Amino acid sequence: AQTVTQSQPEMSVQEAETVTLSCTYDTSENNYYLFWYKQPPSRQMILVIRQEAYKQQNATENRFSVNFQKAAKSFSLKISDSQLGDTAMYFCAFMTYYNFNKFYFGSGTKLNVKP
Amino acid sequence: DAGVIQSPRHEVTEMGQEVTLRCKPISGHDYLFWYRQTMMRGLELLIYFNNNVPIDDSGMPEDRFSAKMPNASFSTLKIQPSEPRDSAVYFCASSLSQLPDSNQPQHFGDGTRLSIL
Repeated sequence: AQTVTQSQPEMSVQEAETVTLSCTYDTSENNYYLFWYKQPPSRQMILVIRQEAYKQQNATENRFSVNFQKAAKSFSLKISDSQLGDTAMYFCAFMTYYNFNKFYFGSGTKLNVKP
Repeated sequence: DAGVIQSPRHEVTEMGQEVTLRCKPISGHDYLFWYRQTMMRGLELLIYFNNNVPIDDSGMPEDRFSAKMPNASFSTLKIQPSEPRDSAVYFCASSLSQLPDSNQPQHFGDGTRLSIL
């Protein structure tokens, strides 16, 4: 069974600083995908970044980047130059190659960006 | 496009009552998903459809939960009878692609906040 763990229920960061959100997962699969989703107070779910397990290079999307450690089954999200609009719940998610569209989500990390 | 539309936005009802949540996916999207979000368990996938056919309902918690997709533009999630532990935010999402990425993301609705008293 696949599980996703986010051990930080809540975090705070000052505007313009950098913050890292942690995510670990457990799977026996070798090929899979990892995602970070952002959920602002509006409750919309927004895809932030995606990582394919077969790629060694860490994915980046503007101020968002990941540190993917396959052996350690770790997938952390780094937000650089934090902005007030980054305040949201962040969910880490996992999907296998062989079961597309079945997501396994972590319980979420609430990020507060302070002015 | 209006995006994924869910109704109602909020629902408060007494335990034992039947609850029906509704979802209109984005036109042309082949996949539709129902999720439940709670503080304790985070976001859970309940069921998803491909071309109106249920593909995987292993996340549906109990027989009290059922979901249908009678056509490509409408889906319902029904709870009968409802219980207080069903209180959560229920999301519907749709996607065109099997694998979401920044160009083909999975689009979520605004969710229905369900409170069972």
